[in-house]
Amino acid sequence: DAKTTQPPSMDCAEGRAANLPCNHSTISGNEYVYWYRQIHSQGPQYIIHGLKNNETNEMASLIITEDRKSSTLILPHATLRDTAVYYCIVRVDNAGNMLTFGGGTRLMVKP
Amino acid sequence: EAQVTQNPRYLITVTGKKLTVTCSQNMNHEYMSWYRQDPGLGLRQIYYSMNVEVTDKGDVPEGYKVSRKEKRNFPLILESPSPNQTSLYFCASSLSRGLAGLAGANVLTFGAGSRLTVL
Repeated sequence: DAKTTQPPSMDCAEGRAANLPCNHSTISGNEYVYWYRQIHSQGPQYIIHGLKNNETNEMASLIITEDRKSSTLILPHATLRDTAVYYCIVRVDNAGNMLTFGGGTRLMVKP
Repeated sequence: EAQVTQNPRYLITVTGKKLTVTCSQNMNHEYMSWYRQDPGLGLRQIYYSMNVEVTDKGDVPEGYKVSRKEKRNFPLILESPSPNQTSLYFCASSLSRGLAGLAGANVLTFGAGSRLTVL
């Protein structure tokens, strides 16, 4: 799986969009970008994933650059409940074996 | 409700006393996995299972055993726990490995976590 790089922490004002970047410059053609988040010490929660097209669901939007070397997770209207650690993971979609979460980005949403 | 259930959620035990953390999923998922989470080290994979009777080591398997006798259950066994196994443990499952192109086949569903303290 390709290595990912994320900033260790970010702040965002409540109600504003939170844009969380992820670099994955060694991504290969069949690797997907997945995002999870972990609120306090709860189990990580799936947010969204994509291959090359931008994706949107009820939680967030995922913007992947044309060269696929980086992506941005967008929470359009951040709330205090979105304060969490966000993990960006790159992996082939049918590779169920070994999966490693890195350090992630600690997002702090402030009133 | 589709979920992964871990038990116990909290446990304090002593060095050398065998313990088992159970994990059960009700989604008919083929793939299951165990992680441990320690401050500053992120989530590290202990063992995973691609299907019944198929298990393999992750990044940090030492001191742990697993079994996958039936699809829904994937218990984590600590035969002789030591203080360095004090950690927060998560079980996770996903639909399948072999369904390339099936949307969401590898989306992981995590349990709520089991906080283990070994004295």
